[in-house]
Amino acid sequence: EAEVAQSPRYKITEKSQAVAFWCDPISGHATLYWYRQILGQGPELLVQFQDESVVDDSQLPKDRFSAERLKGVDSTLKIQPAELGDSAMYLCASSHLLANSYNEQFFGPGTRLTVL
Amino acid sequence: DAKTTQPPSMDCAEGRAANLPCNHSTISGNEYVYWYRQIHSQGPQYIIHGLKNNETNEMASLIITEDRKSSTLILPHATLRDTAVYYCIVLSGGYNKLIFGAGTRLAVHP
Repeated sequence: EAEVAQSPRYKITEKSQAVAFWCDPISGHATLYWYRQILGQGPELLVQFQDESVVDDSQLPKDRFSAERLKGVDSTLKIQPAELGDSAMYLCASSHLLANSYNEQFFGPGTRLTVL
Repeated sequence: DAKTTQPPSMDCAEGRAANLPCNHSTISGNEYVYWYRQIHSQGPQYIIHGLKNNETNEMASLIITEDRKSSTLILPHATLRDTAVYYCIVLSGGYNKLIFGAGTRLAVHP
């Protein structure tokens, strides 16, 4: 069964360092999402791509976060510089092209980031 | 902000039905109700969704009240593997953004 791949699974970094997370969606899925999940809370959407275009990045802290999906397939989320408050699980999800409000998103296992 | 209200936690005995309620009193006529669950240390997993009719699949049943202001997710025979956080979500936004609340933490015990 096809799955969303993410790497690394765990990342420990010091504040002010740069970190990057990678996501490979399910083949053929046009829509890709990055979420952040703070412990004890539900996931929060950071950015949504349709193919290579960003369609929603309203919750992305653009002063330090960036995301790209250059060829409309895999994606990278970067944080520079990392802050203590960025410690969280970063989840990637993908789905087929949205149609008629059907939106089954398939999530990867996530990257757990700890900023020291 | 999430458009739904769920109890923070529930318990269920193994083999019994788990009934998870959700209030969505401000839902609009064209908004869907989605349920996802998240098992510890995993990403969320889609369970079921519906508009106004009751729905059933291999995982669960979804009962939506006639006024659509609330719904109930039913796991007919809960197992220990159903222990998870369950999220009720009203699909909103032009690009169908899922907005997760805190969910209900379901504990299934022997």
